[in-house]
Amino acid sequence: DAKTTQPNSMESNEEEPVHLPCNHSTISGTDYIHWYRQLPSQGPEYVIHGLTSNVNNRMASLAIAEDRKSSTLILHRATLRDAAVYYCILRIWQGGSEKLVFGKGTKLTVNP
Amino acid sequence: NAGVTQTPKFRVLKTGQSMTLLCAQDMNHEYMYWYRQDPGMGLRLIHYSVGEGTTAKGEVPDGYNVSRLKKQNFLLGLESAAPSQTSVYFCASSYGQGTGYEQYFGPGTRLTVT
Repeated sequence: DAKTTQPNSMESNEEEPVHLPCNHSTISGTDYIHWYRQLPSQGPEYVIHGLTSNVNNRMASLAIAEDRKSSTLILHRATLRDAAVYYCILRIWQGGSEKLVFGKGTKLTVNP
Repeated sequence: NAGVTQTPKFRVLKTGQSMTLLCAQDMNHEYMYWYRQDPGMGLRLIHYSVGEGTTAKGEVPDGYNVSRLKKQNFLLGLESAAPSQTSVYFCASSYGQGTGYEQYFGPGTRLTVT
């Protein structure tokens, strides 16, 4: 089964960069790496995704290792609103359809 | 544009009772999903649908049934609720096939079975 491994929790200070790591050693060639975040009492929210190359969007950057067995989500300047659980997810094609395989995520605390 | 909405937001059931959770999306998405989230855990896929009139089993389908009679709606049914089904249920939708598409999630339904 496709699986991701993340630290249970991380802490950051406001306005500092945050690097959230993820290991996905069982990734296959067609699996996309997705990141979602979940604020308290809300549904998950899409952050970013990639396949092989590094990606940037207005929310974050995604750095993918050359062998694709790990990736890092980068929040360039953390704000208090970024405090959430961040999920690194493999989006896989299985049984004729696509699936998101969630892990337990990393709880990010942002200190003022 | 409301996105993905879920009804109800909260519900308490007694063991053996039945209920239906409604998910609606106004983005004309083909794919819809039902997940459950237990404390301290990530989301687990219950059932999903790749289009109107189709449904398929996910990771934890036992005890649940689903229907997709209209493209914009995806219903999750519990025929005989059990305490193990106490959880937060999330519905999601996505534009289509291909492993690049993002999923849009609803706000969740908190279900307690006593």
